[in-house]
Amino acid sequence: DVQLVESGGGLVKPGGSLRLSCVASGFQFGHYHMAWVRQAPGEEPQWVSHISFTGAYIYYADSVRGRFTVSRDNAENSVSLQMNSLRVEDTAVYYCARDLGDPGHMDVWGHGTTVTVSS
Amino acid sequence: AIQMTQSPSSLSASVGDSVSITCRASQDITRDLSWYQQKPGKAPKILVFEASRLLSGVPSRFSGSGSGTDFTLTISGLQPEDFATYYCLQEFNYPPTFGQGTTLEIK
Repeated sequence: DVQLVESGGGLVKPGGSLRLSCVASGFQFGHYHMAWVRQAPGEEPQWVSHISFTGAYIYYADSVRGRFTVSRDNAENSVSLQMNSLRVEDTAVYYCARDLGDPGHMDVWGHGTTVTVSS
Repeated sequence: AIQMTQSPSSLSASVGDSVSITCRASQDITRDLSWYQQKPGKAPKILVFEASRLLSGVPSRFSGSGSGTDFTLTISGLQPEDFATYYCLQEFNYPPTFGQGTTLEIK
């Protein structure tokens, strides 16, 4: 089965850091772009970042640029999101998703991992 | 960033009804729009891509239409499992942006 599994969420204080990971299975990971999307409670999803299938092209939402870094390891079928200088407004469920374009529609989503930024 | 204005924000309907949800883009996005269904506590699930193409396995009661700035998702003959929140997403350029969502409730 095609699957994405996120991990790494948790409770962190403002200014702190977290690293999210997403492991893929069931498809040729290295052939696909990947994206991170977050969703704050009661809000619509918000696109966070895109990384191309080789990792050569990376894009960020303005709200996270300079604080978040996306990377991937095609040998390990994984994509990561390093989140630094976290703010209360970064509190959300974070999903990784397979991105079929540049940008494109997202056809496979993980179950999400919850990040809570609070003092 | 391209703004996506989705309406209505909520909708009450009965099983068997047909409903339509619209999304309007703040600029021409050709047909670079997809629709997602989300149930509480779950990830969004894609239904339609390129404005009108149904993903494999999605029931044919779902249909998408539109191009340019105006798009519609129609559900013909609502089933109990269709009561959920629906979002549009423009993928014309970065940053991709979602509509605010439409919550479909049972009347």
